[in-house]
Amino acid sequence: AQSVTQLDSQVPVFEEAPVELRCNYSSSVSVYLFWYVQYPNQGLQLLLKYLSGSTLVKGINGFEAEFNKSQTSFHLRKPSVHISDTAEYFCAVSEGYGGATNKLIFGTGTLLAVQP
Amino acid sequence: EPEVTQTPSHQVTQMGQEVILRCVPISNHLYFYWYRQILGQKVEFLVSFYNNEISEKSEIFDDQFSVERPDGSNFTLKIRSTKLEDSAMYFCASSVRGGSYEQYFGPGTRLTVT
Repeated sequence: AQSVTQLDSQVPVFEEAPVELRCNYSSSVSVYLFWYVQYPNQGLQLLLKYLSGSTLVKGINGFEAEFNKSQTSFHLRKPSVHISDTAEYFCAVSEGYGGATNKLIFGTGTLLAVQP
Repeated sequence: EPEVTQTPSHQVTQMGQEVILRCVPISNHLYFYWYRQILGQKVEFLVSFYNNEISEKSEIFDDQFSVERPDGSNFTLKIRSTKLEDSAMYFCASSVRGGSYEQYFGPGTRLTVT
């Protein structure tokens, strides 16, 4: 079974500073990895995903993430954050190619709080 | 841009009552999902639905829960006899296919059981 760990429940950062949100996963099979963002009172929106190939994936709003198989990590980064990036960020995993299930397993989320 | 919609946005019900949460997935999508998020906890998978039948369900999805696609557009989650612990945000999602295809989430229905 898969699981996802987001160790940081909240990350405060000043505007225009870089940020990294950490995500580690465990799985006995190959996986697909996702980052979703949830703005207040809204649903989950996909930021980016890793399926295969290049380990550095770029998403919307200037975010990127790097898949590290040896460390079973998929950390999210942005070089310069804006106030509008304040939101909850969820890392998620699903079984990879040939998997029997499509369900997403989510981490507990990280609140990115951008301060002026 | 097409989006998943959910109604109502907030539902308050008394313990033991039946509730139906409604979702309209994106029109050309074939896979449908329900997830829930209890306040302060992680988003949890409940059930997936494809070709008019449940393809997978979690241990949370017991006999009190059911899903249905009553027509070509709606996808519903019914809780037969609500409990206090069913209070949560319920998210509907859909995808054009399974596997690596993106799941598009609705804005959620906040269910409060009193």
